[in-house]
Parts: sequence; structure tokens; C-alpha cells
Amino acid sequence: ETGVTQTPRHLVMGMTNKKSLKCEQHLGHNAMYWYKQSAKKPLELMFVYSLEERVENNSVPSRFSPECPNSSHLFLHLHTLQPEDSALYLCASSHARRGVYEQYFGPGTRLTVT
Amino acid sequence: SQKIEQNSEALNIQEGKTATLTCNYTNYSPAYLQWYRQDPGRGPVFLLLIRENEKEKRKERLKVTFDTTLKQSLFHITASQPADSATYLCSLYGNNRLAFGKGNQVVVIP
Repeated sequence: ETGVTQTPRHLVMGMTNKKSLKCEQHLGHNAMYWYKQSAKKPLELMFVYSLEERVENNSVPSRFSPECPNSSHLFLHLHTLQPEDSALYLCASSHARRGVYEQYFGPGTRLTVT
Repeated sequence: SQKIEQNSEALNIQEGKTATLTCNYTNYSPAYLQWYRQDPGRGPVFLLLIRENEKEKRKERLKVTFDTTLKQSLFHITASQPADSATYLCSLYGNNRLAFGKGNQVVVIP
């Protein structure tokens, strides 16, 4: 596979469930990102990992927990979510100097919290 | 507060014409500005990056300008085609922060 892949593509979960989103990049990048995209809102940067170290956490509620075991993989662990957390969750990767280099996005996971 | 503004109304344009989109920003000192394309149900795709000391960048039928005095970037699609129909996102990196605009939809009418 090439580029940035995300699984699952669609996820429906109840507020008491625990689930994880997975992202994998095959581009040799060493920075990875999680974004939330809601209707009528700009992309919201959630977390940034550079060289497997979390370098940014934009006041995201603790019910979202990221994990970056290596530079190719990124997870977003979800638990006790709220209906307002329903959105498209996008993963991206770039070279470590984020913002300087373009980001490559995955197709996203469409999350619905019931 | 910091803002990135893109027109919320869709731009409908006849095939073959030039589509022009605007990205305005306030309270930013961006070092870089990028434009992305996003199709429904898919992730954004990088198009162009322009640095603060560059006035203009071109790539095939795309042209981006960056005016740090006006705090504005213009994105042009020349000889537009129906396949150019999508939402176009503006992204700024500055003050160690990365942020996106809401995007502006373009509809190219055959």
C-alpha cells in the first residue's frame, strides 16, 4: 500500500464503548497528526507526533488518547465519547518540520457516536 | 484572536473560466501558506505551498499569490474544468502553530 491509510473507514459506537482508530503511513515521514473535521468548521488539529514524541496537544478532552508506537503508525483510542464527537477524523503525515512541508492525509474515519 | 477566513459561499463558475478564491487572515504572522483540495468523503490533498517572502507560485493551471501586507492569499484555477469541482482549503503555519480555514467550494459548470 502507498500513502496514508486509515482503518476503519466508518465507525458507529455507543457512548460507553471503547474503540481505536488506526493510521499507517508508507511515505517515510516522521511526523504524524490527528485532525477532527466537523461540518461547517475548519480542520481542528488534535495531536502532533514528531519523531514518535508528542509535541502538541491542543486541549483535547482526555476521552481521546493518542499513541504513536513508531514513526509509521498512529492510533487514537476512544472511550466514553459524546455525540458531539461525531465527525470525520483525519490522520496526516509529513517530514518532521511540520508546517514547513506539505501534509499527506489519509481518507479519514467517519465516526458516529450514538 | 487568530482567524483564517475563506468565503463560505460556493463559487459557481463556467468551464474554461478562471476561478479565484480568497484566504484572509488576522493576528497571524505566517511563515508559510498552503492550499489543499478536498473531495467529499476524502482527506485533503496538498496543492501548493508559498513562503512569506514569495509573491507568487504556479503549478500547471494553479497560481497562488501571497500578500503579507494585505494579509491575504489568492488561489487561481485557470481554464477550469468540471474535474476541478471540490472544496479548497487554505492553511497557515506561523508562530509555531498550524491552522486551516473552513474551505471554499468550487463548482465548475460544463
